[in-house]
Amino acid sequence: SAVISQKPSRDICQRGTSLTIQCQVDSQVTMMFWYRQQPGQSLTLIATANQGSEATYESGFVIDKFPISRPNLTFSTLTVSNMSPEDSSIYLCSVEKSGTQYFGPGTRLLVL
Amino acid sequence: KQEVTQIPAALSVPEGENLVLNCSFTDSAIYNLQWFRQDPGKGLTSLLLIQSSQREQTSGRLNASLDKSSGRSTLYIAASQPGDSATYLCAVRPRGSTLGRLYFGRGTQLTVWP
Repeated sequence: SAVISQKPSRDICQRGTSLTIQCQVDSQVTMMFWYRQQPGQSLTLIATANQGSEATYESGFVIDKFPISRPNLTFSTLTVSNMSPEDSSIYLCSVEKSGTQYFGPGTRLLVL
Repeated sequence: KQEVTQIPAALSVPEGENLVLNCSFTDSAIYNLQWFRQDPGKGLTSLLLIQSSQREQTSGRLNASLDKSSGRSTLYIAASQPGDSATYLCAVRPRGSTLGRLYFGRGTQLTVWP
């Protein structure tokens, strides 16, 4: 299994600012994934982060808006840049181990 | 593109009832299907993982079935308890997709009252 922690657990931010979310895993993993869950919606994959290379973004998500860092095999950050109220969501970090997907507790973001 | 639908969106039952939650997906070419539980303020907890070659998986009071040809999965909860109250999510990993790319349904919000 994998134990994943995220910081912050929640935040309220002003329009136009940026927030960086941290994700820590208790074991080394090749890939880490960032998902978004908008209110009343299903989870959507934002990007896949590999250590030592640029993140791969899904359709509809761009690096300028959601820059990602992956400095080592247990840690990643996701930044939500120039926020607007539409960015209010839960952001979840995830890893895959032995075919099972594991998720962190999520970061609840409210943008005013 | 894979689309995942869960029915019902919400369910409220008294304690002790046996429940069936439904999940359907549009493309039967999947690698696996996973059921999760999501509690308010918490992340997702993996409940059951069914590989495409399997028909069902069981864990305690939970049983998940998979009918790949019809694009359906069901999660059966036996003798429901108030502690089962949560949102249940179904997710599929398409065959040939990159690792970790799952398509989720919107979930079934379950309330079990004493």
